[in-house]
Amino acid sequence: EPEVTQTPSHQVTQMGQEVILRCVPISNHLYFYWYRQILGQKVEFLVSFYNNEISEKSEIFDDQFSVERPDGSNFTLKIRSTKLEDSAMYFCATAGLGSYNEQFFGPGTRLTVL
Amino acid sequence: QKEVEQDPGPLSVPEGAIVSLNCTYSNSAFQYFMWYRQYSRKGPELLMYTYSSGNKEDGRFTAQVDKSSKYISLFIRDSQPSDSATYLCAMSSVTGGGNKLTFGTGTQLKVEL
Repeated sequence: EPEVTQTPSHQVTQMGQEVILRCVPISNHLYFYWYRQILGQKVEFLVSFYNNEISEKSEIFDDQFSVERPDGSNFTLKIRSTKLEDSAMYFCATAGLGSYNEQFFGPGTRLTVL
Repeated sequence: QKEVEQDPGPLSVPEGAIVSLNCTYSNSAFQYFMWYRQYSRKGPELLMYTYSSGNKEDGRFTAQVDKSSKYISLFIRDSQPSDSATYLCAMSSVTGGGNKLTFGTGTQLKVEL
């Protein structure tokens, strides 16, 4: 069964450093999302991406965050200058054409900012 | 008032029991309702997807939506220890691309032998 994959599974970084989280969507899916989940809290929407542009973003997704599809397959989330409060699980989700509400999540990247 | 409310539990039931999990919401624009299962430190796994009001059944799982009461439910029949996980309800309102999901906090379920 096709699935969303994410790398790395765990990333440890120093405050102020840049990190790039990577996602490989399910083949032929066209809608891409990033969510995060701080330990013990609910899953929160960060950004949606369709047709090579951001469709919607939350107030969490400030100028320190960016997304792109650099090679037409991978979907990346970059955090330019990490803060302690960025420590969380980051989930990529994807959805197919006509099924944009059926979002399939990857296993997540656990980001730890020291 | 939170947009989506869900009792965090934990809910503990014996194997074979019928489990009822619920969410309430305040945003009347929500039209799409999902249930996800999440094992510890894993990604949410889509279980059920429902549009508007009504029931949907898939194996041991039944999802119900009552838009007039802003209340959704997930029933699990013949619960198994492998059903032990956190169950998240999620909702969205937009019909175009970029539909963000709004999640509840999740209900932790434990099915005991």
